[in-house]
Amino acid sequence: EAQVTQNPRYLITVTGKKLTVTCSQNMNHEYMSWYRQDPGLGLRQIYYSMNVEVTDKGDVPEGYKVSRKEKRNFPLILESPSPNQTSLYFCASSGWDSTDTQYFGPGTRLTVL
Amino acid sequence: AQSVTQLGSHVSVSEGALVLLRCNYSSSVPPYLFWYVQYPNQGLQLLLKYTTGATLVKGINGFEAEFKKSETSFHLTKPSAHMSDAAEYFCAVSERDTGNQFYFGTGTSLTVIP
Repeated sequence: EAQVTQNPRYLITVTGKKLTVTCSQNMNHEYMSWYRQDPGLGLRQIYYSMNVEVTDKGDVPEGYKVSRKEKRNFPLILESPSPNQTSLYFCASSGWDSTDTQYFGPGTRLTVL
Repeated sequence: AQSVTQLGSHVSVSEGALVLLRCNYSSSVPPYLFWYVQYPNQGLQLLLKYTTGATLVKGINGFEAEFKKSETSFHLTKPSAHMSDAAEYFCAVSERDTGNQFYFGTGTSLTVIP
């Protein structure tokens, strides 16, 4: 089954404790992206990647890091989480570029205390 | 930076009535345009998109949208609402010239009244 998986689905952590949210897709997609969803703000793009070792900042990259060492994986790293990063996070992938359909993962609900 | 405006954060319609969800974008160069739907506790899925060609685009579940360059709009419609259409709807754009950064609107929550 074609899918985008994210782990963990739920996470409660404390300020400053480094964490990684994993994202994996099995569709051999070139493009992958991370978004955060907050009430009243919709989805905002954090980072995106056009291919292995190619990443670019989205609208709200501050406080986040990403890497793309393999085509299928695109982890999101919060080196020192803060309460304002409490949010619902979505990973997405698409075949090649911005005209292609993005397939979204199920989301990761992160709470930073 | 691009901005996407969705007028009305909450829209209620009766079952069988017309659904109209509004979306306007800000750029002078028409971007690629998308509508996504999010059902409760799920990720987003594509309803339809406009990249080039015919300005009236048909999508899944009976939805369609029309790109109007003069109005910088891409409103979503469905002639007859069904209870299963209750969800959050997001308009999104990506810019033709700068490539692959995406901008989403703030979303419209659709309620269907039986």
